[in-house]
Amino acid sequence: AQRVTQPEKLLSVFKGAPVELKCNYSYSGSPELFWYVQYSRQRLQLLLRHISRESIKGFTADLNKGETSFHLKKPFAQEEDSAMYYCALNLASNTGKLIFGQGTTLQVKP
Amino acid sequence: DTEVTQTPKHLVMGMTNKKSLKCEQHMGHRAMYWYKQKAKKPPELMFVYSYEKLSINESVPSRFSPECPNSSLLNLHLHALQPEDSALYLCASSQGLGRQPQHFGDGTRLSIL
Repeated sequence: AQRVTQPEKLLSVFKGAPVELKCNYSYSGSPELFWYVQYSRQRLQLLLRHISRESIKGFTADLNKGETSFHLKKPFAQEEDSAMYYCALNLASNTGKLIFGQGTTLQVKP
Repeated sequence: DTEVTQTPKHLVMGMTNKKSLKCEQHMGHRAMYWYKQKAKKPPELMFVYSYEKLSINESVPSRFSPECPNSSLLNLHLHALQPEDSALYLCASSQGLGRQPQHFGDGTRLSIL
């Protein structure tokens, strides 16, 4: 079955500390993975897409097919990074269906 | 215009009322979606439209009725809702049903009295 697992509901770090938000997926096909971010009282926004291999707001994520992971990383957290982060899997079935993880709240303390 | 616009932002309705949620995008996207999101939970897919035709209904109760009048507009008609239907309703769009990212609106926060 297709599944996305984000094991941490809450990740709390101090400003300037490194951040890693974990995402593991279960999918037999070729995955396409996204990270979405939802700041307080704002819309769900696309942060990263694995095929683009960009760095957005200092965040990066690498797809590791061997470990079926797509962890989100940032070397130095900022207070404005505090938000809810969702990892999402797009299936290869041309249905448009996104499988979301349960989300991780990142709290960056001053 | 790179936004998905949803109206109203907030809606309070009784269980016997009929109301509609509206969603608009002018990005030329041909796929549009309705999601339901409860507090601190991920969005749950309700409906998918592709080229103005309904392609997915995720077993949503008939008190929710979607409509896609044209390629830029998506409506969600509400009737006889239950208190448990109170949630944030999100609209999204994408270029197509392939592996393109979805762009989300701000949502309509719905409260059922």
